Amino acid sequence: DTGVSQDPRHKITKRGQNVTFRCDPISEHNRLYWYRQTLGQGPEFLTYFQNEAQLEKSRLLSDRFSAERPKGSFSTLEIQRTEQGDSAMYLCASSPQGAGELFFGEGSRLTVL
Amino acid sequence: QQQVKQSPQSLIVQKGGISIINCAYENTAFDYFPWYQQFPGKGPALLIAIRPDVSEKKEGRFTISFNKSAKQFSLHIMDSQPGDSATYFCAADTGGFKTIFGAGTRLFVKA
Repeated sequence: DTGVSQDPRHKITKRGQNVTFRCDPISEHNRLYWYRQTLGQGPEFLTYFQNEAQLEKSRLLSDRFSAERPKGSFSTLEIQRTEQGDSAMYLCASSPQGAGELFFGEGSRLTVL
Repeated sequence: QQQVKQSPQSLIVQKGGISIINCAYENTAFDYFPWYQQFPGKGPALLIAIRPDVSEKKEGRFTISFNKSAKQFSLHIMDSQPGDSATYFCAADTGGFKTIFGAGTRLFVKA
């Protein structure tokens, strides 16, 4: 299967700990997105990469959040000093250049105790 | 900042009926309006999409109606089936850089 894969699928952590999520996009897609989804809400845009360049970052992304996409392939999203309000599903999506459709992974669910 | 407003929050339809979900947007720079379908435990998947140069697009049982002057668009699911039970999100974007999603509609189709 060559879809978007995310790891881990579930993460439970204690408040104050750091967590990192990984996303492997569809190989020929040069655009990669991170979204956050809380229960009963639509996905909220966090950040966007074109190849290795991070082109936009939402105001929702506090200083505790950082995302990277070295070499324009996989991406990581790190959350430092987690808070209970960070509990959510973190979705990664990719798309080819110029296309509107987003191809989502199944998400990484974070629970902060 | 919610730029795409979706209604209703939830919808119950009898099997064979028509499901209608509505969305309104504010930013006239949006040029692509997709609908995504999400099942529990899965990521959203594109269902159907429209660009503002057409007023309607149909794919099988799914139709998007688009009203540019009113800045509104809607999804119609004809002959709704229990397998259509899912959460539906309308969305909008400009040039594929940042897609903004509505809050979602939970559809339940009764058998």
